[in-house]
Amino acid sequence: DQQVKQNSPSLSVQEGRISILNCDYTNSMFDYFLWYKKYPAEGPTFLISISSIKDKNEDGRFTVFLNKSAKHLSLHIVPSQPGDSAVYFCAAPPPGKRDDKIIFGKGTRLHILP
Amino acid sequence: DAGITQSPRHKVTETGTPVTLRCHQTENHRYMYWYRQDPGHGLRLIHYSYGVKDTDKGEVSDGYSVSRSKTEDFLLTLESATSSQTSVYFCAISGTDNYGYTFGSGTRLTVV
Repeated sequence: DQQVKQNSPSLSVQEGRISILNCDYTNSMFDYFLWYKKYPAEGPTFLISISSIKDKNEDGRFTVFLNKSAKHLSLHIVPSQPGDSAVYFCAAPPPGKRDDKIIFGKGTRLHILP
Repeated sequence: DAGITQSPRHKVTETGTPVTLRCHQTENHRYMYWYRQDPGHGLRLIHYSYGVKDTDKGEVSDGYSVSRSKTEDFLLTLESATSSQTSVYFCAISGTDNYGYTFGSGTRLTVV
């Protein structure tokens, strides 16, 4: 059973608008979450993370929101740029871990339209 | 960025043949991982290692074995390749600034 779920395989957003990528998780003990970005023919790269003691973490155009009661997190990209077109993976390590045996969602492919 | 390279980058092999993929890191990190990426499945953990000769199975380990005789090298072997093992394989290391993993560029394996 999937512990980290990304239910939208793809998303198209106009350049300059906000992109919102969603992620749900089933294990209420997860205490750390990460987002990775992946371009074709490259390995995933770390984008942003959030600890469960926070409900928001911001880094430039990227903000991750965490709603623990709903077991839901979202990645907001504002404004969206052409270089943001990529696959985004939501991920969580086992409780108490930060970088070990990370569990990944299936990914959401983001298309930024000109 | 941490130095992590995978070889080969691309490989086509026949069903039933053995295949070994190599992951090499120059950062002296203890923890290393092999994942496979497939459409509709995301990234799934195959095997991992906590150090030399210390390896264990992940979520999708059937048909795969690993070895780690040196800190810098983590080898993934398909003993007898099957078409279901056609995938993109990623190696990762952890312990880099608490930002989860650093990934290699991947190996695209096609089993025909």
